[in-house]
Amino acid sequence: EVQLLESGGGLVQPGGSLRLSCAASGFTFSTYAMTWVRQAPGKGLEWVSSISASGLRTYYADSVKGRFTISRDSSRNTLFGQMNSLRVEDTAVYYCARDDCSDTDCYAGIDYWGQGTVVTVSS
Amino acid sequence: SYELTQPPSMSVSPGQTARITCFGDALPKQYAYWYQQKPGQAPVVMIYKDNERPSGIPERFSGSSSGTTVTLTISGVQTEDEADYYCQSTDSSGTWLFGGGTRLTVL
Repeated sequence: EVQLLESGGGLVQPGGSLRLSCAASGFTFSTYAMTWVRQAPGKGLEWVSSISASGLRTYYADSVKGRFTISRDSSRNTLFGQMNSLRVEDTAVYYCARDDCSDTDCYAGIDYWGQGTVVTVSS
Repeated sequence: SYELTQPPSMSVSPGQTARITCFGDALPKQYAYWYQQKPGQAPVVMIYKDNERPSGIPERFSGSSSGTTVTLTISGVQTEDEADYYCQSTDSSGTWLFGGGTRLTVL
């Protein structure tokens, strides 16, 4: 069974930093691209960042570019999201997600979602 | 900038058919995905690669694509289908995009 368990959320002041983690299990983590998606309170889904299966290619939304760094450790089956220079508008539930991948390719879509971790940026 | 446009809300009666549309200029060239989200829960994929249904998703959910529009169809809507539905796709640069979401109310 595919499981994605996020952690690392919390309350932080504007300008602060947080490191999100996503522990993956139930599949061969090193063969799947992974993605972070967030949802502000009462709002829709917003793509944040994606990383290829190898970790060599990363992609970022303009809203977080330069402040968010996605990375992965396949030896620990863990996805990370380093968030710096946090703003009030970064307040959201952050979801870790597995990309839809076949044996030979990954597609820009999600087949499994974690339950999310809450990030609150407030003074 | 590239956008995906969905109607913000829709209402149907049980047993009727709901068709939720999503419009975007890049949709003829990129796959679309549909997610269902119920209050307080994580999203769930309902349709992937325009029209494929994951195992465990009821057959009443289907997806189609025509030009710049993709459609999620729910045939014989049930009360448990009341939820927010989001389309999602990408542009050729690797940037992903979600539609604004459609709140489906089953009256």
